[in-house]
Amino acid sequence: EIVLTQSPGTLSLSPGERATLSCRASLGLSSTYLAWYQQKPGQAPRLLIYSASSRATGIPDRFSGSGSGTDFTLTISRLEPEDFAVYYCQQYGSSPLTFGGGTKVEIK
Amino acid sequence: QLQLQESGPGLVRPSETLSLTCTVSGGSISSGDYFWGWVRQPPGKGLEWIGSIYYSGSSYINPSLKSRVTISIDTSKNQFSLKLSSVTAADTAVYYCVRRDRESSGYYYVDFWGRGTLVTVSS
Repeated sequence: EIVLTQSPGTLSLSPGERATLSCRASLGLSSTYLAWYQQKPGQAPRLLIYSASSRATGIPDRFSGSGSGTDFTLTISRLEPEDFAVYYCQQYGSSPLTFGGGTKVEIK
Repeated sequence: QLQLQESGPGLVRPSETLSLTCTVSGGSISSGDYFWGWVRQPPGKGLEWIGSIYYSGSSYINPSLKSRVTISIDTSKNQFSLKLSSVTAADTAVYYCVRRDRESSGYYYVDFWGRGTLVTVSS
């Protein structure tokens, strides 16, 4: 099973700042089979990025993903008030699918 | 517009079987383009993949839960279901039904989530 480790656990930033979230895999992914999700309190997760760098439909271009192998990054170029949430990475190239533990982006 | 709606008891007794159904509207579960699955999230914790199923009935279950989980599909009702046996308090969670879409390489990522339903295991 591939273990995904997300860092930092919590990121305290102000609106307008840049957020950089990391996701590291215990084994190299066979390709870029990694997705990122955003979850707000009381809501289901929402797909942001798949295939490591492809934005899902309707996702603003301030969200971008990069990486391959074992190291992946989600970048939010300029934080908007609605971006403060928990973010999860997930690998889907190896069974079982696994999720990272999440990074909380909170208002500083 | 696609909608996934979970339904089932919100309270299950320890050692009994948790049963949930996901009703799909706005799309056909018989489409060969997607897998359908379940993810759970204990209160205040992270996400855990349970398993998924294809319209043909072919399923894959997380090995950590395999001995207790059954996922089935009913294309005539546009529904799929989850059964988790011998539940304990550790199975208390929000259960989400999800859709998995295929990317160009042939691998499937989760692109759509139901709203989720909280199931509490307690006597």
